[in-house]
Amino acid sequence: QITLKESGPTLVKPTQTLTLTCTFSGFSLSTSGVGVGWIRQPPGKALEWLALIYWDDDKRYSPSLKSRLTITKDTSKNQVVLTMTNMDPVDTATYYCALEMTTVTDFGWFDPWGQGTLVTVSS
Amino acid sequence: QSALTQPASVSGSPGQSITISCTGTSSDVGSYNLVSWYQQHPGKAPKLMIYEGSKRPSGVSNRFSGSKSGNTASLTISGLQAEDEADYYCCSYAGSKVFGTGTKVTVL
Repeated sequence: QITLKESGPTLVKPTQTLTLTCTFSGFSLSTSGVGVGWIRQPPGKALEWLALIYWDDDKRYSPSLKSRLTITKDTSKNQVVLTMTNMDPVDTATYYCALEMTTVTDFGWFDPWGQGTLVTVSS
Repeated sequence: QSALTQPASVSGSPGQSITISCTGTSSDVGSYNLVSWYQQHPGKAPKLMIYEGSKRPSGVSNRFSGSKSGNTASLTISGLQAEDEADYYCCSYAGSKVFGTGTKVTVL
């Protein structure tokens, strides 16, 4: 059974850096074709893709947020970490991590997803 | 890149069929048969319903089907049921991943 779970602070102040951890089980991020992505959803709004990291350490970022995002993996711990700098109230959202299976990098789909973690940005 | 365009809402009566559109451009939806569709119930994480345009994951009802014509992908739900009431999102590749604006499906 594949599971993913997000963890991190529920409240951050404006200008601070957010660090989120996705801890997973049931698959290995050293297996060819495997990736883990981050997606967020502001309250009442649509999903927004943020970043992806693949088994070979190839990384992808949302063009609009690229300057603020860093994604890394720790294969031995079965974890993927996302950092987002210079947080703003508009970054308040539920942040999800998800498994991407693909035969060609960039061309995969997200399944399954973690339960999500709500991050509020407020002073 | 811009979000893919979906209708804000679609409704139907139990047993009917409804179709949700996902409109992109020749650079994303039109170029690749890579659209995936996700169902999200209130307060829950999204669930994969369709991948690579028309493929159904194991466990997803065959009442859900996907297709594409030109720059528009579509998700059709046949035999609409109360449990299908949820938000639906499409996702495609456009140089990077991009989601749709989301559609709220209401079962009348």
